[in-house]
Parts: sequence; C-alpha cells; structure tokens
Amino acid sequence: AQSVTQLDSQVPVFEEAPVELRCNYSSSVSVYLFWYVQYPNQGLQLLLKYLSGSTLVKGINGFEAEFNKSQTSFHLRKPSVHISDTAEYFCAVTPRNYGQNFVFGPGTRLSVLP
Amino acid sequence: NAGVTQTPKFQVLKTGQSMTLQCAQDMNHEYMSWYRQDPGMGLRLIHYSVGAGITDQGEVPNGYNVSRSTTEDFPLRLLSAAPSQTSVYFCASRGGLAGVGELFFGEGSRLTVL
Repeated sequence: AQSVTQLDSQVPVFEEAPVELRCNYSSSVSVYLFWYVQYPNQGLQLLLKYLSGSTLVKGINGFEAEFNKSQTSFHLRKPSVHISDTAEYFCAVTPRNYGQNFVFGPGTRLSVLP
Repeated sequence: NAGVTQTPKFQVLKTGQSMTLQCAQDMNHEYMSWYRQDPGMGLRLIHYSVGAGITDQGEVPNGYNVSRSTTEDFPLRLLSAAPSQTSVYFCASRGGLAGVGELFFGEGSRLTVL
C-alpha cells in the first residue's frame, strides 16, 4: 500500500517570494509521482509528473519538483509566486507495475499575499 | 474536447433519499474512478473501473454503488443518503491501465445531505 504526507496544510507567502511545498511518500513498490493543482471551485489539473529519468521535472506555470528516492520526497518549488498561484496543491503517487489507483495526500493550501 | 463531464454540479438531498451522480468521458479511457473530497483529508477513492463490466471498491465504498455498462459512462449511486456523505465528488479517468497515464478530472459535484 502507499501513503502520501504533505507536511504543511497551509502555506502563506508574499507575492514574488519563493515557495516550497513538501511531499513525502511511503510505498513498498516503485511509484510514479504527480502534483495536481485545484483552483477555487474547480476540478484538479495536472501540474507535473515524474515517471523516470532526470529527478528534476518542470511543469506548467513555472513550477518544478525534485524526486529524491533516498528521502522518498517529491517537493514542489516555484522561485517567484504570483497572486494567481493561490490554490490547493495535491501530491499523488501510483504504483508502477501492479495497480492503477492513485493515492493522494491531504493537500496544501497556498495563499499568495499582495 | 469535453473531457470528463459530471452532472449535477450541485445537489441537496434529505437523509434517506437516493440519487445518481453522472460521469461521462469522451477520451475512450478504460479506467474511471470516483473520489470524494473532504477538508483536510484530500481525495479518497470510492469505486473504480478498469473497463466496461468491471468495477471494484476503493478506500471508502460504503453507501455507494457503481456500474459500468459502457466505456464512456460511470455513474455513482447513493442508495440512502446520510449527512456523512456531504462532500464534493470528483470523477476521473485515465488512459491505459499501467501507472503512466495521468488522471483527468471532472469539475466536481457538490452534494449536501440534510
């Protein structure tokens, strides 16, 4: 079974400041990793994903994430946030070989302040 | 492209009533799933399907029923609504059965049970 932990339930940050949203996972098998974003009153959309290869992956809207296998982490970063980045962010994993289901973390609410 | 379409977007029920949340996708995806989203708990899997005629339970299946008669449609039935089923429900689909494909989400259905 897999589990996902997002250590910060809420992250307030000023506009143009950098931000890191933390994600750690637990799994007995190899997994693919994803970050999804949910804007207010909308569904979830894919921000970025790690499947294989380079451990630094770039996504939409200037976000990037780094996979660290030894620390079982997949932290999301952005060097300079905008007001429009205010949203809830979900980290998710799914097994590579055996199952099809995603396991989501509890989410981190990012609030960008003017 | 419509993607994943959910109806209704909002619904208020009385305890004991039954209803069906509709989900349709036009991407020819084999895998479809239903999640519920509650504050601080992320998304929890209710039921999923890997193809027409095949369904299985997720993490929180009690009180819900599903069927999959076509590739396109995956309705979620609440048999006898309870206040604990007040939540936002998301339908999601993915292409392929191995882990690589991302999940595509509908815009959600907000259900209130009085």
